[in-house]
Amino acid sequence: RKEVEQDPGPFNVPEGATVAFNCTYSNSASQSFFWYRQDCRKEPKLLMSVYSSGNEDGRFTAQLNRASQYISLLIRDSKLSDSATYLCVVRGNFNKFYFGSGTKLNVKP
Amino acid sequence: GAVVSQHPSRVICKSGTSVKIECRSLDFQATTMFWYRQFPKQSLMLMATSNEGSKATYEQGVEKDKFLINHASLTLSTLTVTSAHPEDSSFYICSARGSGDVQETQYFGPGTRLLVL
Repeated sequence: RKEVEQDPGPFNVPEGATVAFNCTYSNSASQSFFWYRQDCRKEPKLLMSVYSSGNEDGRFTAQLNRASQYISLLIRDSKLSDSATYLCVVRGNFNKFYFGSGTKLNVKP
Repeated sequence: GAVVSQHPSRVICKSGTSVKIECRSLDFQATTMFWYRQFPKQSLMLMATSNEGSKATYEQGVEKDKFLINHASLTLSTLTVTSAHPEDSSFYICSARGSGDVQETQYFGPGTRLLVL
């Protein structure tokens, strides 16, 4: 079983839509959680850390559910520029970071 | 956020040559840096963890004699792909972890595209 699993998508949504991604992780002892964004042929860029209480940054909201071992990312009012691959990243034992394979989002005009 | 640079951004070399890639943390000290490889349409695969002043820790299946890592200072780690072959062609990305950050966020360099002919 993979440490981190994501639906690869693609999610095709119109501009202005709300879209949500989930990511599950297998290690209940995982310590930190992140969402990264990766554009085609570019390096991943940190989008936001995910805190136990949930956190919001503008149109982006991240939630952590430790009991069910998943994290989520909600994007409201999607923009064309939100089109990218969203990577779920989990820090596990021995400070190792585990990456999901990414969820591709296409925002259409 | 923190800034990590990589050099070169793109390399084309002949089979059998060695290629060195540098990863620098520009505005923070990074006791730990990570080297990843990403093939087209695949996720990042951790190759090794580079610790300043000590030997790198390699992931299973990654040959330490082929991928030489040197983390000589708190701001610089290098990855040398020795005797590169076409199958080593990939996108190599480093990341650095800032100290003092409770979450220990990783910041990525812009990556190096290696093409071995």
